[in-house]
Amino acid sequence: DTGVSQNPRHKITKRGQNVTFRCDPISEHNRLYWYRQTLGQGPEFLTYFQNEAQLEKSRLLSDRFSAERPKGSFSTLEIQRTEQGDSAMYLCASSLVGGTNTEAFFGQGTRLTVV
Amino acid sequence: EDQVTQSPEALRLQEGESSSLNCSYTVSGLRGLFWYRQDPGKGPEFLFTLYSAGEEKEKERLKATLTKKESFLHITAPKPEDSATYLCAVAMSNTDKLIFGTGTRLQVFP
Repeated sequence: DTGVSQNPRHKITKRGQNVTFRCDPISEHNRLYWYRQTLGQGPEFLTYFQNEAQLEKSRLLSDRFSAERPKGSFSTLEIQRTEQGDSAMYLCASSLVGGTNTEAFFGQGTRLTVV
Repeated sequence: EDQVTQSPEALRLQEGESSSLNCSYTVSGLRGLFWYRQDPGKGPEFLFTLYSAGEEKEKERLKATLTKKESFLHITAPKPEDSATYLCAVAMSNTDKLIFGTGTRLQVFP
């Protein structure tokens, strides 16, 4: 396994369009996280899943954002009616809960630009 | 309010000039503190996890330490390839999400 994989790496979209990102976690990991990072800031938590269950969602996440992990493997993050303020790097991470270590491993991110 | 503060924001070092990065935190119930390295345009790369005060971890030129209120990332004899943004994050006992600081941008010049 080569780590957490995110697609696409870059996405340019017009304001008002919908976009969807995909994340494939490390295969044996049961936790999957989504974060958002803007320039000069640290990653900001959006939501996370344990297997297919969405356990926590940030209060900062508007109704335009939705995430799924239908079979407890890959996850998708959809943003509806994109706004310029949604421009950011969207990061996915995964971890194994119940193992010796609890660190989360990140993917390379999807850079979203809303024009 | 749970908070993570990193200092300095930016650090310029000559190759071989050792220094330390600071991460101070105020959280209710620390479960773990994490250090990540991030190169421009890439995702954070995991470095260390620290769980309790007094714990230390080392990897090559990096050493991370933890007290009850802060963590330090010591860089010994840095090389230009150590240039990156170093992020500190904490996980609390009642949630699995990470709270990140804004990072320290390190530049090491030959």
